[in-house]
Amino acid sequence: SQQGEEDPQALSIQEGENATMNCSYKTSINNLQWYRQNSGRGLVHLILIRSNEREKHSGRLRVTLDTSKKSSSLLITASRAADTASYFCATVRGPGAQKLVFGQGTRLTINP
Amino acid sequence: DAGITQSPRYKITETGRQVTLMCHQTWSHSYMFWYRQDLGHGLRLIYYSAAADITDKGEVPDGYVVSRSKTENFPLTLESATRSQTSVYFCASRRGQTQYFGPGTRLLVL
Repeated sequence: SQQGEEDPQALSIQEGENATMNCSYKTSINNLQWYRQNSGRGLVHLILIRSNEREKHSGRLRVTLDTSKKSSSLLITASRAADTASYFCATVRGPGAQKLVFGQGTRLTINP
Repeated sequence: DAGITQSPRYKITETGRQVTLMCHQTWSHSYMFWYRQDLGHGLRLIYYSAAADITDKGEVPDGYVVSRSKTENFPLTLESATRSQTSVYFCASRRGQTQYFGPGTRLLVL
């Protein structure tokens, strides 16, 4: 079963607006990662946040992690048409864990 | 700098046939992974490999076989394809905590 669950499943916004996607998970984690998948392509790593971090930034991306609530959010600011994609959170459960466990993703559509 | 490649990109086969999906990486990453992606299930791990000649099962290994005789190659074989194995298959390799994905193979089993 999937560890992470993204919310919402689909999101449609206007170009220039901010997009927020959420991810919840069930067990303790070592780190949480966000990936982007453009239609017909493989996944691309966006950002990693460790369990002892609360917030991380990368360009227009901002990720937060709340381990007490077992949740994370991905904020994309000033969205662009090129941000249209599916976004997945993935968790690594322990220090020695080698596997990523993916959620089912949020489909983001940016309307011009 | 090819990175990670998969072949074929598209494959149509019939139930009961053997199919092998190829994955090749140019980075010499130790870890490699095979996932399948289906609507309603996201990505599920089929098998992974920590190094040449070391493989282990993931979440959905039944019906699949892997091998890793060389670090750069990680083929996935469907020994007797079933319709339920119709899916998009992704190979990935890992450096540090980041996984790098191939472009995927879209497989249709008739």
